Amino acid sequence: ETGVTQSPTHLIKTRGQQVTLRCSSQSGHNTVSWYQQALGQGPQFIFQYYREEENGRGNFPPRFSGLQFPNYSSELNVNALELDDSALYLCASSSNKRTFGEQYFGPGTRLTVT
Amino acid sequence: GENVGLHLPTLSVQEGDNSIINCAYSNSASDYFIWYKQESGKGPQFIIDIRSNMDKRQGQRVTVLLNKTVKHLSLQIAATQPGDSAVYFCAEKSLQGAQKLVFGQGTRLTINP
Repeated sequence: ETGVTQSPTHLIKTRGQQVTLRCSSQSGHNTVSWYQQALGQGPQFIFQYYREEENGRGNFPPRFSGLQFPNYSSELNVNALELDDSALYLCASSSNKRTFGEQYFGPGTRLTVT
Repeated sequence: GENVGLHLPTLSVQEGDNSIINCAYSNSASDYFIWYKQESGKGPQFIIDIRSNMDKRQGQRVTVLLNKTVKHLSLQIAATQPGDSAVYFCAEKSLQGAQKLVFGQGTRLTINP
């Protein structure tokens, strides 16, 4: 167990709806990264938060947004859901911003958009 | 580009044999490489990492080799066990720009009894 938790574990939404996914980072970690993993693919970087600010973003549209809270937990929000948003959403926490610190992944939230 | 690819999408080995999983990366600016194991229904689990100033690093039953000349990374698992069955991803990170991991597609390792 990595100490990173995510909720909910599974979620079913309809196209056009909005969704919020949550992540609690490992104790002592101040950086949270979010990834999208489509079936049969490797995780794709969405964005990263460090000390409550976005610290880098991947090739995802603005309808993917996030927050990090003072306790370093984080939320991923997706607006106007599309069928292609169906995936496993992973968050990973780490203790360093720019050094080699490894990222610890949570179990993920499986989002299905119908 | 941002491609970390794998030579083989699937690998089947006999229990007790050694496994070698390969990975090619394209970003010569990457400074840090990690191997993750992902079991069904779980998030990726850290196995071993290596920095770009190293050629080899060993862990418990695992060894990672880095060849920067040809931009190749490999994971060797000694005495493969049934519990090693999973999808293995290599990932790279650069200290430049966004602090993100770039993952390959993955290799599924299957252990035959």
